[in-house]
Amino acid sequence: DQQVKQNSPSLSVQEGRISILNCDYTNSMFDYFLWYKKYPAEGPTFLISISSIKDKNEDGRFTVFLNKSAKHLSLHIVPSQPGDSAVYFCAAGYNYGQNFVFGPGTRLSVLP
Amino acid sequence: NAGVTQTPKFRILKIGQSMTLQCAQDMNHNYMYWYRQDPGMGLKLIYYSVGAGITDKGEVPNGYNVSRSTTEDFPLRLELAAPSQTSVYFCASSYSRPSYEQYFGPGTRLTVT
Repeated sequence: DQQVKQNSPSLSVQEGRISILNCDYTNSMFDYFLWYKKYPAEGPTFLISISSIKDKNEDGRFTVFLNKSAKHLSLHIVPSQPGDSAVYFCAAGYNYGQNFVFGPGTRLSVLP
Repeated sequence: NAGVTQTPKFRILKIGQSMTLQCAQDMNHNYMYWYRQDPGMGLKLIYYSVGAGITDKGEVPNGYNVSRSTTEDFPLRLELAAPSQTSVYFCASSYSRPSYEQYFGPGTRLTVT
């Protein structure tokens, strides 16, 4: 029973183009969402978050969009760079809790 | 700051052996977590702690134990290792609200044969 799904195991994008990573969740009570990036042999590092009171949050090249009615969020990376090649995890949780449910990850490859 | 450190980086255990995975953080974070990541899967929470002396079970606690005697350290104990515990284990820490950002260690790759 996966509460957080990332249906694309992998994604390849040309350098300079937009990368769009998608995430779906099943629990409508989730109200806080995070994206993490993970390089091989390293722990995940935090990228960006969004609360359910917003539908968009930007940080430099990274933008997260939240569609609560569809229980869907997406991470946009513009422009994509080869250094963005990594596994990206979506995580969902509650605003008054500290526990987050992680998706299985999407491996992004940015081709030069 | 070293951030979150984990030892060992790799370990091979025989079935039935026990071991402790060490985790330490020097950021004075109240919250600490243990996750496991199986191939092709997301991170699953094993145990977490909201402060020294306070621990609680996560999604997959069976076969593990934790203790939190200091703010800095959060060791994970495996008793009677089983092949199903072959995984990569990550320790993480975070501040209390409003920041939910978790800082992760580099992981421990454990194989049980």
